[in-house]
Amino acid sequence: SQTIHQWPATLVQPVGSPLSLECTVEGTSNPNLYWYRQAAGRGLQLLFYSVGIGQISSEVPQNLSASRPQDRQFILSSKKLLLSDSGFYLCAWSVGRDYGYTFGSGTRLTVV
Amino acid sequence: QKEVEQNSGPLSVPEGAIASLNCTYSDRGSQSFFWYRQYSGKSPELIMSIYSNGDKEDGRFTAQLNKASQYVSLLIRDSQPSDSATYLCAVPTYSSASKIIFGSGTRLSIRP
Repeated sequence: SQTIHQWPATLVQPVGSPLSLECTVEGTSNPNLYWYRQAAGRGLQLLFYSVGIGQISSEVPQNLSASRPQDRQFILSSKKLLLSDSGFYLCAWSVGRDYGYTFGSGTRLTVV
Repeated sequence: QKEVEQNSGPLSVPEGAIASLNCTYSDRGSQSFFWYRQYSGKSPELIMSIYSNGDKEDGRFTAQLNKASQYVSLLIRDSQPSDSATYLCAVPTYSSASKIIFGSGTRLSIRP
């Protein structure tokens, strides 16, 4: 069966520090991968998605970047965190838009 | 008009009653529709998917789809306190690569 792993679960980082969040999927090949952010009490904001290795589409210009170095690995990064980067970061995978997404357990990031 | 719209709530329903959650969408070409449940502090979980007009039942949950009216709903029968959560309606977009658009969610509270 397919599983998605996301870590760390919580993270407190100072303003200006770098960020690296990792997500891996097991049990499937060539998944579509997504990074979402959810601010407190708000909806889901799509940040990046990828349909294959090295293919990254950015939805919202911001202080973040994403990479997909391997088929089932998706990484979210920042060189210098801002206070506004705080939120709940969710990785998700799908075999196609008509099959829905499966979300990882999320990373709660607090920038201080 | 937003692509996927939901009433934000909160919707308060007595235990044992039927909770009715509604969603409208703008893309007439949409072929699949999803309901996610998100408990506070947790990631969204897919609970229902529906592809054809009419009703689809799964235990206490029934999804209803009316493509002509661009309307999808979720009914929860015999509501339990454990049903208290935010419910997200999600609809794939066919205007670009494999993405799903999420509504902002309806917060449901089941009162004893």
